[in-house]
Amino acid sequence: NAGVTQTPKFQVLKTGQSMTLQCAQDMNHEYMSWYRQDPGMGLRLIHYSVGAGITDQGEVPNGYNVSRSTTEDFPLRLLSAAPSQTSVYFCASSYGPRSYEQYFGPGTRLTVT
Amino acid sequence: SQKIEQNSEALNIQEGKTATLTCNYTNYSPAYLQWYRQDPGRGPVFLLLIRENEKEKRKERLKVTFDTTLKQSLFHITASQPADSATYLCAPSGKGGYNKLIFGAGTRLAVHP
Repeated sequence: NAGVTQTPKFQVLKTGQSMTLQCAQDMNHEYMSWYRQDPGMGLRLIHYSVGAGITDQGEVPNGYNVSRSTTEDFPLRLLSAAPSQTSVYFCASSYGPRSYEQYFGPGTRLTVT
Repeated sequence: SQKIEQNSEALNIQEGKTATLTCNYTNYSPAYLQWYRQDPGRGPVFLLLIRENEKEKRKERLKVTFDTTLKQSLFHITASQPADSATYLCAPSGKGGYNKLIFGAGTRLAVHP
């Protein structure tokens, strides 16, 4: 099992550009989430999904879109990058809801200039 | 709003001693509380989950307590080793919602030989 994979590992964007961060898991988990991590602020939930075709907003969803067409994949789209979106992004998956451990990917470090 | 507090200052201890990390929460009544370890440049890794009806949980050298009256969880590492040096995150979750964990900013532990 590869677990949770994320691509790319690093990315530099110019303000206004768009891009998609990829996330895939091979554990057949129904629940998947995207977090961003900024110094001193901990992990903040952007969007999450409880199964294919079902997504919902987290704490900081503005400027991001998600879709879940398959159980395995949960891409995060930045619509028009802004310097405030400079952060480390983590994708996570879990077998069930809040009482189950989350498996995190290795992260994507994004810089917006 | 819900707030999770972990000591932002690094905890420095000598090898062999017991490390104790604190997680306090306010405006919140979580049913579960998870602890994760995060190494620099990597995603968090799940360590332990404790339920509100459990006072204490142990796993090898790790022990977690959960005091719903004090709204606090303590995370202990006994016989600490330099390899235990990392940032430790707590993540309470409530009874409702889909896998919405709220993460604390984490406490960095440094174990010195």
